[in-house]
Amino acid sequence: DIQMTQSPSSLSASVGDSVTISCQASQDISTSLNWYQQKAGKAPKLLIYGASYLVTGVPSRFSGSGSGTDFSFTINSLQPEDIATYYCQQYDNLPPVTFGGGTKVEIK
Amino acid sequence: QVQLQESGPGLVKPSETLSLTCTVSGGSFTNYYWSWIRQPPGKGLEWIGYIYYSGGTNYNPSLKSRVTISVDTSKSQFSLNLTSVTAADTAVYYCARGHYFYDSGTYYYWGQGILVTVSA
Repeated sequence: DIQMTQSPSSLSASVGDSVTISCQASQDISTSLNWYQQKAGKAPKLLIYGASYLVTGVPSRFSGSGSGTDFSFTINSLQPEDIATYYCQQYDNLPPVTFGGGTKVEIK
Repeated sequence: QVQLQESGPGLVKPSETLSLTCTVSGGSFTNYYWSWIRQPPGKGLEWIGYIYYSGGTNYNPSLKSRVTISVDTSKSQFSLNLTSVTAADTAVYYCARGHYFYDSGTYYYWGQGILVTVSA
């Protein structure tokens, strides 16, 4: 199985800050990587697919980049409604699809 | 608008079989992959497997010996059976689908999730 290592596991930042989450795959997955946002008690929401493509309707302050084994996800100008846990997920080599451990984003 | 809704018992006894159904509305059932994903309380997401509308399946190797996913296209439903459950199977179970017909590993539409507790 491809292991997805996300860091940090949690972060605290101020409104307006830029925050970046990293995700590392245990082997080359090209750009077969998605990012999800999960708010408390809700299903995950797809934000980024194919490593860098923003889902229609998702605010442009969210972005993703990377290929191969190293990926990053950035929130530019953090907003209060961005409080959530964010997950990376690979789909290059399934089964199985695998998810990172998650990053909990809080407001300082 | 595509909607998915999980249904089934919220409590299952250890060693018994967990059975859930996902009912799809508002969109086509054919030509898509239909998936199950679970999340233990306070933990991360785990992919269980998917079924193609025509019946082909792919399961997480860690669960493969206990999992069966089936489909009923006439009812726009697909189902999950997980046998010999233990407390470790306690989780919120989600059904999900991709945005495009070729999406076997990207999940755009999700059900609201159903908490299944394994306890005597």
